[in-house]
This record gives sequence, C-alpha cells and structure tokens, in this order.
Amino acid sequence: GAVVSQHPSWVICKSGTSVKIECRSLDFQATTMFWYRQFPKQSLMLMATSNEGSKATYEQGVEKDKFLINHASLTLSTLTVTSAHPEDSSFYICSAPVIGTGDDLAQFGPGTRLTVT
Amino acid sequence: KQEVTQIPAALSVPEGENLVLNCSFTDSAIYNLQWFRQDPGKGLTSLLLIQSSQREQTSGRLNASLDKSSGRSTLYIAASQPGDSATYLCAGAQGGSEKLVFGKGTKLTVNP
Repeated sequence: GAVVSQHPSWVICKSGTSVKIECRSLDFQATTMFWYRQFPKQSLMLMATSNEGSKATYEQGVEKDKFLINHASLTLSTLTVTSAHPEDSSFYICSAPVIGTGDDLAQFGPGTRLTVT
Repeated sequence: KQEVTQIPAALSVPEGENLVLNCSFTDSAIYNLQWFRQDPGKGLTSLLLIQSSQREQTSGRLNASLDKSSGRSTLYIAASQPGDSATYLCAGAQGGSEKLVFGKGTKLTVNP
C-alpha cells in the first residue's frame, strides 16, 4: 500500500537554529502534499499545501518566511522551521493524497516531534 | 469555515462494551469525512472514509455513519478491546480538496 515517511521522527534543537523535516512518498508520486501541526491535546491544523514545481500555499496565520516549504520532486517535500523558538515545539505531520484509488485518500506520515530548547 | 467538534473529549469503558464516538461539523457541504486513530506520539491511521453520497461505512468492528443534514457523524465500536485504546479523530474534507479539518479527538481507554 501507499506509504509516506518522515525524517527525522524527532528532533531537539536550540532556539534560533533552523530545522528541516522531510516528507517522502515511498511508492507513489505526489504533486501535492500537506503539512499539519499538532500541539498537545489539540487537533491537527493545516499549515500549508506543498505543490511540486511551484510555490506552497499557506493557511491564514502561518508565516511563509518562517516555515519554508520546498517540493522539489514528485516524492519529496521539505518543511524548514527557520529561527526556531520554543513556541514552535510541536508535532508536525505531512500527508499526500493517493490519487486513483477511487477515494483519493490522504496517506499520513508518522510525524516529527520538534522540541526547541 | 468548516469547524469540527468531537464529544466527549475522553471516554473510559470496560472491555467488551459497545461504544459510540460523536463528531459534528458546521458546514454540510462536506466532500467526505474520515475517522482516524492516533496512538500516543504517533501518526494517523485511517480507519474509515465516508463519501458525501454515502451514509455509512463498516470495517470489522467499526461502523461509521454520516448525516449531512444534521452535520453529524458517529463511530461505533463493537465489543471494545484494550487494544482499541487510542485517540480517535474525525476530519472533514470539502469541495474535492484533500485538505482536512480535524476535530480535537476523543481519547478512548478500554480497561481490561
């Protein structure tokens, strides 16, 4: 079945540094990927839509200069948290729609736990 | 703007009990509704997907229903097991988009 992976699964960084999170579709191509953020005991909130070969679309309230998204190939999207601060500590999850299954289900990655100290 | 609410926030039941989790949404123009399971610190596992034209879907001990007119969906779990303990999330998609709006989830604990 379709699988989405994320790397790293967890990361701890110091305040002010940048962190890159990778989202890969392992056995299918994804022209679109979605990035979500989940704070403790909260729901997943969509941050942005990553589009292969073009600029990402950001949701209202999400700073595009802080959360850099690059979708360089049909199987890889990256999210870079620049100048991270403790309030950026969260669980980041990506998803990719699996086209052609009839349901166009979104397959989710396992998530990346970011802790900024 | 679609808003998704899940009640209750937490539920604890003895093993073997049948239970219902509730999900409500504000915009009836929903494309599909999905139920997910999330284990602590983990990603999401898709359980059931109900298209807007459907009223229910079944998978094993799970049955999900969708009532667009009332803006509600339910997830019924039969003969619950301790392994069912997890947080259950519902999410709605609109207008052919794969962008999902999630509820906060219901944390289920099944006690042996």
